[in-house]
Amino acid sequence: AQKVTQAQTEISVVEKEDVTLDCVYETRDTTYYLFWYKQPPSGELVFLIRRNSFDEQNEISGRYSWNFQKSTSSFNFTITASQVVDSAVYFCALKGPSSGTYKYIFGTGTRLKVLA
Amino acid sequence: GAGVSQSPRYKVAKRGQDVALRCDPISGHVSLFWYQQALGQGPEFLTYFQNEAQLDKSGLPSDRFFAERPEGSVSTLKIQRTQQEDSAVYLCASSLEQGGTMAYSPLHFGNGTRLTVT
Repeated sequence: AQKVTQAQTEISVVEKEDVTLDCVYETRDTTYYLFWYKQPPSGELVFLIRRNSFDEQNEISGRYSWNFQKSTSSFNFTITASQVVDSAVYFCALKGPSSGTYKYIFGTGTRLKVLA
Repeated sequence: GAGVSQSPRYKVAKRGQDVALRCDPISGHVSLFWYQQALGQGPEFLTYFQNEAQLDKSGLPSDRFFAERPEGSVSTLKIQRTQQEDSAVYLCASSLEQGGTMAYSPLHFGNGTRLTVT
């Protein structure tokens, strides 16, 4: 079965703190892709990153970094020096052949609140 | 257009009414998806179009839900005889690449339509 688990329902941090959002996935596929999306209060899901199953290099983009570990089936997202504008719901998603031909499987999301 | 546009942003319907939700995808995008997002949950797949062809409607919860994309651009999701359990945000997404088992394009989402059935 394809499944994405985001165990953290809600996280609150004070501005400038670092925060890590966890994502654990289940799949029987050997080729698959993982995604992170941000959903601000406006409602639109904004694409942040895509990572394929063969590339375990960590990635950094400004204050954002992602740690992909196949051994633990995790694809965690860290925000360094958080800002109030980072407040949003963050979703991890998975797509692979077993998802169904066209389906992207989303987790339940983690709501991040960054307090000034 | 610059992004995926959905209308209306909010819709309140009385139980039993029919509703129609519109999605205007990014120009030239082949793939169009509809997702349903219940409160506090992640998006759940409803249906997929490749141009005007509806290739997957396995996520539609009942035969009260119907989607179309007649000219391969704008899409409409119609819900007949709305029920309270239909209350959710309906998200439309598009992508440039045609969908498929080996297609992994990021999805571009609209702001969604929040449907409340009273």
